[in-house]
Amino acid sequence: AQSVTQLGSHVSVSEGALVLLRCNYSSSVPPYLFWYVQYPNQGLQLLLKYTTGATLVKGINGFEAEFKKSETSFHLTKPSAHMSDAAEYFCAVSLGSGNTGKLIFGQGTTLQVKP
Amino acid sequence: DTGVSQDPRHKITKRGQNVTFRCDPISEHNRLYWYRQTLGQGPEFLTYFQNEAQLEKSRLLSDRFSAERPKGSFSTLEIQRTEQGDSAMYLCASSLDTYTGELFFGEGSRLTVL
Repeated sequence: AQSVTQLGSHVSVSEGALVLLRCNYSSSVPPYLFWYVQYPNQGLQLLLKYTTGATLVKGINGFEAEFKKSETSFHLTKPSAHMSDAAEYFCAVSLGSGNTGKLIFGQGTTLQVKP
Repeated sequence: DTGVSQDPRHKITKRGQNVTFRCDPISEHNRLYWYRQTLGQGPEFLTYFQNEAQLEKSRLLSDRFSAERPKGSFSTLEIQRTEQGDSAMYLCASSLDTYTGELFFGEGSRLTVL
């Protein structure tokens, strides 16, 4: 069975500071991992994904995440926060084997960026 | 291409009434998914279609819920005899057959059951 845990429901950073959003997963099969972002009154949008291959993946808007199998983690980072990064972020793992589109999401982390 | 659209965006209903939500996916996308999101939680998978075939339903989808995609284009999600626990945001997403991991989500339909 697969599951996702996001550590911290709210994270607050200053503009220009490092963003670190934590995600740990549990999976009995090689995981497919995703980060989605949800801006107010908008649909979820894919930030980045890990399927196979390179463990450091780069996404849109300067975000990246590293798949660490030994730590069962897929933390999301950005070197310098912008005000426009304020949103809710969801980590997800693909349910079952492979890339099915059936995702298990974490509970989400709200990112606040202070001027 | 206008993306995934959902209608209505908001629905307030009384307990026991039936409601129906519609989703129009991106036109060339053959896969269509329904998720449900409650306050403070991430989305939960409900069901998905490949063209008009409903391939899987979550155990979360009780007998009061039914989804259809009659011509492999738009989809409807009907909830019969609504309960207060059905209050949630219902999200629709679509993707290509050659699924690369990206789901395109609509803005959702928010249901409030009084």
